[in-house]
Amino acid sequence: NAGVTQTPKFQVLKTGQSMTLQCAQDMNHEYMSWYRQDPGMGLRLIHYSVGAGITDQGEVPNGYNVSRSTTEDFPLRLLSAAPSQTSVYFCASSYWQGTYNEQFFGPGTRLTVL
Amino acid sequence: GESVGLHLPTLSVQEGDNSIINCAYSNSASDYFIWYKQESGKGPQFIIDIRSNMDKRQGQRVTVLLNKTVKHLSLQIAATQPGDSAVYFCAENLGQGAQKLVFGQGTRLTINP
Repeated sequence: NAGVTQTPKFQVLKTGQSMTLQCAQDMNHEYMSWYRQDPGMGLRLIHYSVGAGITDQGEVPNGYNVSRSTTEDFPLRLLSAAPSQTSVYFCASSYWQGTYNEQFFGPGTRLTVL
Repeated sequence: GESVGLHLPTLSVQEGDNSIINCAYSNSASDYFIWYKQESGKGPQFIIDIRSNMDKRQGQRVTVLLNKTVKHLSLQIAATQPGDSAVYFCAENLGQGAQKLVFGQGTRLTINP
């Protein structure tokens, strides 16, 4: 299994540009999430999904959109990039068997908005 | 809002010594807690978890202690090795299943030879 994969690894955008960060997992996990990590900080939840067709907002959802059309993929869209969105973005997935289970994190996408 | 914080931002220990990383949480309703290790340039890696109906849980060289009375969590690493050098985060789960985590700021652990 490849686990959780994210593309691209690095991205530089200009203010106002849009882009999509890709996330895929091959573990058949129901739950997928997006976090951002600012320098010297812990991760903050942006959006999450409990299954295909179901998404919800996390702690810092403004400026981001998500969709979940398949179990495997959970893309994160920046509609109009702002310098405040400069961060490292992590995608994570976990499975659900009636109890809590660990989240598996991808390697991250480092985004710079100029 | 709810927050999870750490007492110390940095910790240095000698190789072979034991280390203790502390964490305070504020959401008394949280019932699941996780410790993650993050190495430079990588995503967080699961270390150990504990549910609120437990006080202690042990893994390989790691032990997590939970004190619900004072809302305190700690991670003990025994016989530290150079590979233990990383940033350690505690996180509490606010939702059903491990998909709504609130992370602390992190503690950087440095192992001195």
